[in-house]
Amino acid sequence: AQSVSQHNHHVILSEAASLELGCNYSYGGTVNLFWYVQYPGQHLQLLLKYFSGDPLVKGIKGFEAEFIKSKFSFNLRKPSVQWSDTAEYFCAYNAGNNRKLIWGLGTSLAVNP
Amino acid sequence: EAQVTQNPRYLITVTGKKLTVTCSQNMNHEYMSWYRQDPGLGLRQIYYSMNVEVTDKGDVPEGYKVSRKEKRNFPLILESPSPNQTSLYFCASSFLPGGNHEQYFGPGTRLTVT
Repeated sequence: AQSVSQHNHHVILSEAASLELGCNYSYGGTVNLFWYVQYPGQHLQLLLKYFSGDPLVKGIKGFEAEFIKSKFSFNLRKPSVQWSDTAEYFCAYNAGNNRKLIWGLGTSLAVNP
Repeated sequence: EAQVTQNPRYLITVTGKKLTVTCSQNMNHEYMSWYRQDPGLGLRQIYYSMNVEVTDKGDVPEGYKVSRKEKRNFPLILESPSPNQTSLYFCASSFLPGGNHEQYFGPGTRLTVT
């Protein structure tokens, strides 16, 4: 079955620390990959997405993610986190033109000021 | 402003009392979907709709109904709510399903069934 694994369920960092959240998917063909963010008490919103081209994708608020096909990975990174990055982060993908979006369970990030 | 709206935002009800959560989008999106979010279980899709009068079950459809009579609206109906339906519900829409189309989410409805 198609699945997404987010290895870190809870991450706690201090401000200015670097962030990397892992995401691995289970499909061997063409994929579209997404990272969504949910700030406390708010709805989910798109951080960034990859569907083709440059495997290093830049999103909003200084986030980026790298698609590594050989590793089935799409890890999210930020060089220096801020307190306002405290949120839950979800990785998701769909396979080619498949309609269904497969979601990871999310990673809760807490940034201490 | 492009948005997905949901009402109510918070609802406390009792077992068995029918309720409807409304969802509306103003982006002329074809695809709409309902999710529930529970701690440790992430987002699970309840129902989705490819277009007007076209709906289909997601991963956890039991105990829910939906309708899509108009393109902009996609209400979620709980005919006889039970405590295990206590959850945070999100409506989402996108221009088309699948592919690289971003899903736009509503603000969420926190439902408590006692």
